[in-house]
Amino acid sequence: DTAVSQTPKYLVTQMGNDKSIKCEQNLGHDTMYWYKQDSKKFLKIMFSYNNKELIINETVPNRFSPKSPDKAHLNLHINSLELGDSAVYFCASSQGLEPNQPQHFGDGTRLSIL
Amino acid sequence: GNSVTQMEGPVTLSEEAFLTINCTYTATGYPSLFWYVQYPGEGLQLLLKATKADDKGSNKGFEATYRKETTSFHLEKGSVQVSDSAVYFCALSERGNNRLAFGKGNQVVVIP
Repeated sequence: DTAVSQTPKYLVTQMGNDKSIKCEQNLGHDTMYWYKQDSKKFLKIMFSYNNKELIINETVPNRFSPKSPDKAHLNLHINSLELGDSAVYFCASSQGLEPNQPQHFGDGTRLSIL
Repeated sequence: GNSVTQMEGPVTLSEEAFLTINCTYTATGYPSLFWYVQYPGEGLQLLLKATKADDKGSNKGFEATYRKETTSFHLEKGSVQVSDSAVYFCALSERGNNRLAFGKGNQVVVIP
């Protein structure tokens, strides 16, 4: 059983398009996250939601908008895609906000902008 | 702010060699510390964790000890295998929002 699943796994699109990445977790967790991993493998948090409420919103362009329809889902919508958006995007989840709770990651979505 | 520093560069070593990857951190308060591993084409997996000073996390032969006095959480394994080839990330988690701050990661390549 996949714990944190993201779709699609690969996304190739043109500059200026709008795209969405979906994330679902079946672990019963109430906190979910989006991370961006650049070409040098550096990971940085973008957003986190706890019980569908936005908790963390890093300095991410407004073109990125997360949406959490319920606790098990956190989708990422990106408008007007730019070359610099090319990266691997990881979804993660954890049980609550306590720092001793490890985060469980999906396999990532590799976004390539042409 | 909180940050994690890992030693520079990839690590290449022979099978059965001893592995050490250094990790130091800067944090306010008392964060939890983690090592995550990323195998090629996959997401991150939790390798081990420690939640307070002097705790030792261990898993699959890997160990790391939370050292508050040196603000370090170095990863060690006594005898590596080819299957340990991956990227290893040190991370800390802040209280209140569980935000993970990652180090830059170290690519480990184990040669038969």
